[in-house]
Amino acid sequence: AQSVTQLDSQVPVFEEAPVELRCNYSSSVSVYLFWYVQYPNQGLQLLLKYLSGSTLVKGINGFEAEFNKSQTSFHLRKPSVHISDTAEYFCAVSPFLSSASKIIFGSGTRLSIRP
Amino acid sequence: GAGVSQSPSNKVTEKGKDVELRCDPISGHTALYWYRQSLGQGLEFLIYFQGNSAPDKSGLPSDRFSAERTGGSVSTLTIQRTQQEDSAVYLCASSYLGGTGGEQPQHFGDGTRLSIL
Repeated sequence: AQSVTQLDSQVPVFEEAPVELRCNYSSSVSVYLFWYVQYPNQGLQLLLKYLSGSTLVKGINGFEAEFNKSQTSFHLRKPSVHISDTAEYFCAVSPFLSSASKIIFGSGTRLSIRP
Repeated sequence: GAGVSQSPSNKVTEKGKDVELRCDPISGHTALYWYRQSLGQGLEFLIYFQGNSAPDKSGLPSDRFSAERTGGSVSTLTIQRTQQEDSAVYLCASSYLGGTGGEQPQHFGDGTRLSIL
């Protein structure tokens, strides 16, 4: 079985400051990893994904994430945030060779940007 | 269409009434998912369709909830005899089933905000 833990339910940061949103996962098999963003009153939108290869993955809106297999982490980072980054961020995993239904989401981290 | 479309965007109804929520997935996407998102909560998986069949209904919270998909496209989620605890945002997503399956991201609609009075 797989599980995803997002330790921070809320992260407040000042505009133009760097941010890191933490994600740890547990799985007995290899997984694909995703970060989704949800803006107010909208559905989720894919930010980035790790399938294989380089452990540093770049996504949209200047975000990037690093896969660390030994620490089973996939933290999301941005060097300088903007007010428009205010949203909820979800980490998710999907096992290799799985049916498509087996994507497991974390509980989300609400990022609030202060001017 | 270009994205996943859900209707209605908002639905307010009285306790005990039945409601029907609609999802129109991205053309060509064979997999379709329903989730429920309660206020301040993460995503609760409800049901998954592959084509018109539902191999995984494990998330449906009670027998008041049902879903169907016809023509491998549009899906409806029906909630009978609604209760106040059914109030939530219901999200639909679709994906293309290719490769091993697990690597395909899901594309989400904007959701239906359901309020039970």
